[in-house]
Amino acid sequence: NAGVTQTPKFQVLKTGQSMTLQCAQDMNHEYMSWYRQDPGMGLRLIHYSVGAGITDQGEVPNGYNVSRSTTEDFPLRLLSAAPSQTSVYFCASSSGWANEQFFGPGTRLTVL
Amino acid sequence: GQQVMQIPQYQHVQEGEDFTTYCNSSTTLSNIQWYKQRPGGHPVFLIQLVKSGEVKKQKRLTFQFGEAKKNSSLHITATQTTDVGTYFCAGAGYSTLTFGKGTMLLVSP
Repeated sequence: NAGVTQTPKFQVLKTGQSMTLQCAQDMNHEYMSWYRQDPGMGLRLIHYSVGAGITDQGEVPNGYNVSRSTTEDFPLRLLSAAPSQTSVYFCASSSGWANEQFFGPGTRLTVL
Repeated sequence: GQQVMQIPQYQHVQEGEDFTTYCNSSTTLSNIQWYKQRPGGHPVFLIQLVKSGEVKKQKRLTFQFGEAKKNSSLHITATQTTDVGTYFCAGAGYSTLTFGKGTMLLVSP
């Protein structure tokens, strides 16, 4: 099992550009989520999904879109990148929102 | 909304000293989880506590869940350089899992 995979590992964008961060899991987990991690701020929930076709907003959803067309994949889209979105992004999956979360290796994003 | 506070934010110890991080929730929790993140890595699950007053041990690590299910602690006995990293608690409230901001542990040999 690969667990949770994320691509790319690193990305540099210019302000206004759009991009998609990929996340996939092979554990057949229904629950998937996206977090951003900034120094001193811990892990903040961006969006989450309780199953294919169902998504909802977390604590800091503005500027991000998600979709969940399959159980395995949960991409995060930045519509128009801003310097404030410079961060490390982690995708996680779990058998349920209150259960052990399995994190991917992260994507380090810099927006210039 | 639910808030999870974690202290201290940072601690630097000499190898062999003990270390404790504390986690407090604004609401009663159904469970609390602890994660460790090594520098440059991703959070990795350590343990989940569910019962009021529960104590669990993993080698030199001792985890406690408070009687009111609103606070928790992680204690490391005789730290080693391999314990370096950031320790996060995550509280499962009514419908959300909220992470604390973490305690960064630095261990000097």
